[in-house]
Amino acid sequence: DAGITQSPRHKVTETGTPVTLRCHQTENHRYMYWYRQDPGHGLRLIHYSYGVKDTDKGEVSDGYSVSRSKTEDFLLTLESATSSQTSVYFCAISESGTDQETQYFGPGTRLLVL
Amino acid sequence: GDSVTQMEGPVTLSEEAFLTINCTYTATGYPSLFWYVQYPGEGLQLLLKATKADDKGSNKGFEATYRKETTSFHLEKGSVQVSDSAVYFCALSPNSGGSNYKLTFGKGTLLTVNP
Repeated sequence: DAGITQSPRHKVTETGTPVTLRCHQTENHRYMYWYRQDPGHGLRLIHYSYGVKDTDKGEVSDGYSVSRSKTEDFLLTLESATSSQTSVYFCAISESGTDQETQYFGPGTRLLVL
Repeated sequence: GDSVTQMEGPVTLSEEAFLTINCTYTATGYPSLFWYVQYPGEGLQLLLKATKADDKGSNKGFEATYRKETTSFHLEKGSVQVSDSAVYFCALSPNSGGSNYKLTFGKGTLLTVNP
């Protein structure tokens, strides 16, 4: 299994509060991603990173920001959580080179915004 | 833009039955295609992949063939087991230079296998 951990694994928060989710990898992979999973939508890309301090928006980036100050950590922040951000969040990683397109996923964080 | 369409679930089968989960895609160029599996309470695991037309990906008894002429990548297994119960996702990577690390997923198909 790829060395990817996510923390926390479960979180309950209130509308309007800031929330930060952490993804940590031990694989030294260049690329990291944040997805959200919702019924009827599959997985949708929120943000991704192609290196330290290099990030870009995905399909559903509104209301989210990210930071990557070290290769191994990719943080997802909900500046002011809303009920529509209740979801399961997955981090993924991929390496550079010929297998760049294959992504490996973490165990997920289940977030409930009340 | 790119898109993936997979058959609506849920799919319920008896043990040892034959499984097909249909997946079709829309993309420019020559994408790479993937099947991921998600067991209850877990993250997604890569099941198999194919990177060019007519390639067959296989793993754990599952197979899928990249058919460019029909833009399809259907997942098959000859004899399912209870342990195959999971959600299956079809996905594509555009494989078009700088953006080839972005995956587009289908909505997922829930498979339940009864003993």
